[in-house]
Amino acid sequence: NAGVTQTPKFRILKIGQSMTLQCTQDMNHNYMYWYRQDPGMGLKLIYYSVGAGITDKGEVPNGYNVSRSTTEDFPLRLELAAPSQTSVYFCASSPTRQGETQYFGPGTRLLVL
Amino acid sequence: GQNIDQPTEMTATEGAIVQINCTYQTSGFNGLFWYQQHAGEAPTFLSYNVLDGLEEKGRFSSFLSRSKGYSYLLLKELQMKDSASYLCAVSGLFHGSGNTGKLIFGQGTTLQVKP
Repeated sequence: NAGVTQTPKFRILKIGQSMTLQCTQDMNHNYMYWYRQDPGMGLKLIYYSVGAGITDKGEVPNGYNVSRSTTEDFPLRLELAAPSQTSVYFCASSPTRQGETQYFGPGTRLLVL
Repeated sequence: GQNIDQPTEMTATEGAIVQINCTYQTSGFNGLFWYQQHAGEAPTFLSYNVLDGLEEKGRFSSFLSRSKGYSYLLLKELQMKDSASYLCAVSGLFHGSGNTGKLIFGQGTTLQVKP
């Protein structure tokens, strides 16, 4: 199993541009999550999904959108990128709700200039 | 509201023991996780506590007191490779009718192990 994969690894965006961060997992996990991590900080939940077709907002959803058309994929869309969205983005998945750890992808480093 | 506090930085000596504390205030509780994160890498799972007491796993142990909203991660026989950030995260923030598995993370404790 590849686990959780994310693309791209690194991207530079200009203010106002849009992009989609890709996340795929091959572990048949129902739950998937998007986090952002600013330098020296913990992870903040952006959006999460409890299954295909079901998504909900986390702590910091503004400026982002998600979709979950399949169990495997959970892309994160940035519309009108702003410098405040410069961060490292981690996608994670977990098989069940209680007691199961989340498995993290390698992260996407985004710089908005 | 939800709040998780950890010290920002700690320094310890190779071979020593270090304890990283975490206090939390959350709405609903369904367990506490500790993750290790090396610089530039993704977090990796270390431990999970849902009941009070100590969970031991090799050189790492984690303790939980639900009544006090307190946990600690104990690292023994420190090695240079233990230099990393340690993230405390609480699960069990309910939304709608059930637990979504969402985690709330503390800011992380950066541990530097010196020779």
